[in-house]
Amino acid sequence: EAQVTQNPRYLITVTGKKLTVTCSQNMNHEYMSWYRQDPGLGLRQIYYSMNVEVTDKGDVPEGYKVSRKEKRNFPLILESPSPNQTSLYFCASSLTSNQPQHFGDGTRLSIL
Amino acid sequence: QKEVEQDPGPLSVPEGAIVSLNCTYSNSAFQYFMWYRQYSRKGPELLMYTYSSGNKEDGRFTAQVDKSSKYISLFIRDSQPSDSATYLCAMIERTGGFKTIFGAGTRLFVKA
Repeated sequence: EAQVTQNPRYLITVTGKKLTVTCSQNMNHEYMSWYRQDPGLGLRQIYYSMNVEVTDKGDVPEGYKVSRKEKRNFPLILESPSPNQTSLYFCASSLTSNQPQHFGDGTRLSIL
Repeated sequence: QKEVEQDPGPLSVPEGAIVSLNCTYSNSAFQYFMWYRQYSRKGPELLMYTYSSGNKEDGRFTAQVDKSSKYISLFIRDSQPSDSATYLCAMIERTGGFKTIFGAGTRLFVKA
């Protein structure tokens, strides 16, 4: 089954404790992206990757890091999480950047 | 002003009604247009994808794009309680590369 898998689905943690949200896709997609979804603001892009070893900032990259060492994986790293990063996060992928994206089921992060 | 404007609702209709969901946009560089459906605790899933003005039909769903008015619509015929979800419009613009911009979403409730 074609899918985008995120882990964990839920996480409650404390300010400053580094965390990583993993994302994996099995569709051989070149383009991958991370979004955060907040009430009234919709989906905002954090980082994206056009292909292996090619990443770039989206609209709200501050406080986040990403890497793309393999085509299928695109982890999101919060080096020093803060409460304003409490949100619902989605990983997405598509064959190319001008194609509709497939989304994972989301990771709900709460930073206390 | 946001690039993509979408009424957040909520929109409540009786089962069997025709539903009309709309988005307006200001950027003439948008080339591709999509509608996603998002159920609670799930990621957005693609419903419709089009790149030209006019109508595209898929079962009970019709997507309409009017590039001259910068306006897109999604019509749902014979609405069902299972259609209750948040509907996101999305548009892809070409700016060097390609970038997807999402509306904030409209919450729809279909009452049995």
